[in-house]
Amino acid sequence: QVQLVQSGAEVKKSGSSVKVSCKTSGGTFNRYTFNWVRQAPGQGLEWMGGIIPVFGPPFYAHDFQGRLTITADESASAAYMELSNLRSDDTAVYYCATVDGYNREDPLRAWGQGTLVTVSS
Amino acid sequence: QSVLTQPPSVSGAPGQRVTISCSGHSSNIGALYDVHWYQQVPGAAPKLLIFDNTKRPSGVPDRFSGSKSGTSASLAITGLQAEDEADYYCSAHDSLLKGYVFGTGTRVTVL
Repeated sequence: QVQLVQSGAEVKKSGSSVKVSCKTSGGTFNRYTFNWVRQAPGQGLEWMGGIIPVFGPPFYAHDFQGRLTITADESASAAYMELSNLRSDDTAVYYCATVDGYNREDPLRAWGQGTLVTVSS
Repeated sequence: QSVLTQPPSVSGAPGQRVTISCSGHSSNIGALYDVHWYQQVPGAAPKLLIFDNTKRPSGVPDRFSGSKSGTSASLAITGLQAEDEADYYCSAHDSLLKGYVFGTGTRVTVL
C-alpha cells in the first residue's frame, strides 16, 4: 500500500501562492491517480482536482479553474498542488489522496497526513 | 461545496445500531456511480471505510456496512463502540462536476 507524505504547514499572505508536495513511498508512482481534497476549519471535505501522471493533463473542479495547478514528477515520486491568488477562505487543511489505477470514480484509498495552509491579510 | 446531504449528527449507546443516510442526485448516486464512505477521527486524515457501496477494505470490522438504493445510500454501524466516535462522509463521482462530491458529514457520538 502506497504511503503519502506531505510538506509542512504554510502561512501565506492574501494574494500570494502556495505549493504543497505529496511524496509517495511503498508503491509504483505511475500506477496511481493523485487527487487533492481540502477541508476548511470545522467544515467538510471538498475535492479540488487531480492528475494521472502516466496520462498527463490535470483535471480541476470548476471552482478552482484558473487558480489551481496540479503537477506530478515521476523522478521525485511526488505530486504537487499550487493554489494562487490566495484568499482568507482558502485557509484549510489540504490532503493528497490516491486512487489505485486510473478510474476517476474509484475510492480514495490512501491519504496524506494533511498540510495546514493559513492565509492572513 | 457539498452536494450529498447527510444528517449533521447521530448518536447511540455502546452496542446499539446507528445508520447514516446520504442523499444525492441524478448526476451522482442516481447515475449509478458507486458510493464510498470515509471515517475521520478528529485531527486525523480521512480513512476509507466502505467502497463500491457495500465493500469493506481489509482491516475494517464487519460492524460497518453500506447500502445504496436509487439516489441515496446508507452506512450502518452495529455494535457501536467508543472508538467509532468520528465524522463520516459519503462520496461519489458526479457527472456534472466531473469529479468527486462529498457529503456534508455526520458526527457519530457514543453516549
